[in-house]
Formats: sequence, C-alpha cells, structure tokens
Amino acid sequence: EIVLTQSPGTLSLSPGERATLSCRASQSVSSSYLAWYQQKPGQAPRLLIYGASSRATGIPDRFSGSGSGTDFTLTISRLDPEDFAVYYCQQYGSSPYTFGPGTKVDIK
Amino acid sequence: EVQLLESGGGLVQPGGSLRLSCAASGFTFSNYALSWVRQPPGKGLEWVSAISGSGGGVYYADSVKGRFTISRDNSKNTLYLQMNSLRAGDTAVYYCAKAWEFPDYWGQGTLVTVSS
Repeated sequence: EIVLTQSPGTLSLSPGERATLSCRASQSVSSSYLAWYQQKPGQAPRLLIYGASSRATGIPDRFSGSGSGTDFTLTISRLDPEDFAVYYCQQYGSSPYTFGPGTKVDIK
Repeated sequence: EVQLLESGGGLVQPGGSLRLSCAASGFTFSNYALSWVRQPPGKGLEWVSAISGSGGGVYYADSVKGRFTISRDNSKNTLYLQMNSLRAGDTAVYYCAKAWEFPDYWGQGTLVTVSS
C-alpha cells in the first residue's frame, strides 16, 4: 500500500499570499496518477487536480499541480478568502487507492 | 447538473447492519464507475468500495472486505452499500462519488454512527 505524507500539517497565510503544499509517497506513483482535493467544513471534497497537473473542470488557474515519482506539489498562486480549507492528495496508480492526511490552510 | 444524494445513515449497534443508498442524476449512470469514500469525524478520507459501470467489477478496502457489499441498479440510477457486522471503527460520514480513480462529483454524505 502506498502511504502518502502531506506537509506541513497546517499552513497559516494571509489572503493574497502564495501557498505551497507538499505530498510525498512511500513509493513511486505510476503515471503520475495523483489527485488533489479541497474540503471545507461540513462539505464534501472537491476535485481540484488530477494526473498530477491537470485542473478539473471549473477550477481557477490560481491552482496548479506539479511533480512526479514520489514528490508532488499543489500551489495556490494567490490565496483567495474562499481558499482557506483542508487539502488532500490521493494516489490512484496502485490499489488500494490512498489519501494523504491533509494540509489545513488557515488564515494568519 | 450532476447530483448524488445519499440516504440510509443513522445510529446502529455494534454487530448490526445498515444499507446506504445513493440516488444519482444528471449523467448517464451506467457509463460510470461509482465509489463509496468515508470520513470518520474530524479525520481524513478512506476509500471503502467501488463498482464499475456494468457492476461486473468491484473493489473493497481490506478494512471492510467480507462485511460490506457494493451494488448498483442501473434501471433506478441508484448505488448501494450493504454494511454488516458493523464496528465502532466504521463510524463515519459516507460519501457517494462519481468515478473510481479520481471522483469529480461527490454527494453531501450520510453519517453512520456505530455505538451501543
């Protein structure tokens, strides 16, 4: 089973700042089959990125994903007030599909 | 507009059973795999089960294998999760999600609480 580790656990930033979230896998994720989700309190997760770098439908271009192998990054270029949430990475290259523990982005 | 509406959650005693349903609309139901993903209160996400569009292919997490059964009725656009021998560790919000690898639409979830 591929274990995903996300860092930092919490990221405290101000609106307008750049956010860089890391996701590291215990073994290589085949074909960059990695996705990112955003979840706000009381809501379901929302797909942001798939295939490590492809934005899902309707996702603003301030969200970008990069990486391959075992190291992946989600970048939010300029934080909007609506972006403060928990972000999860998930790999779907190897069964069982697994999620990371999440990174909380909160307001500084 | 894609909509997924879960139902069937509630309070159940350890060892009991519960059947979750997910009514779908807004897409060609039989063309898509569907998944159940759960989230214990205040914790992260865990893939529980998935089923192919035809229903011929299924997947279960080791934590629920032998206790949970996923199924679908393509004539009713409905996904099911039969949960037996429930344990305290199964307490979570259960989400129905469209697709298998990286779900692009999720329901709002239904809470299952296993407690005596």
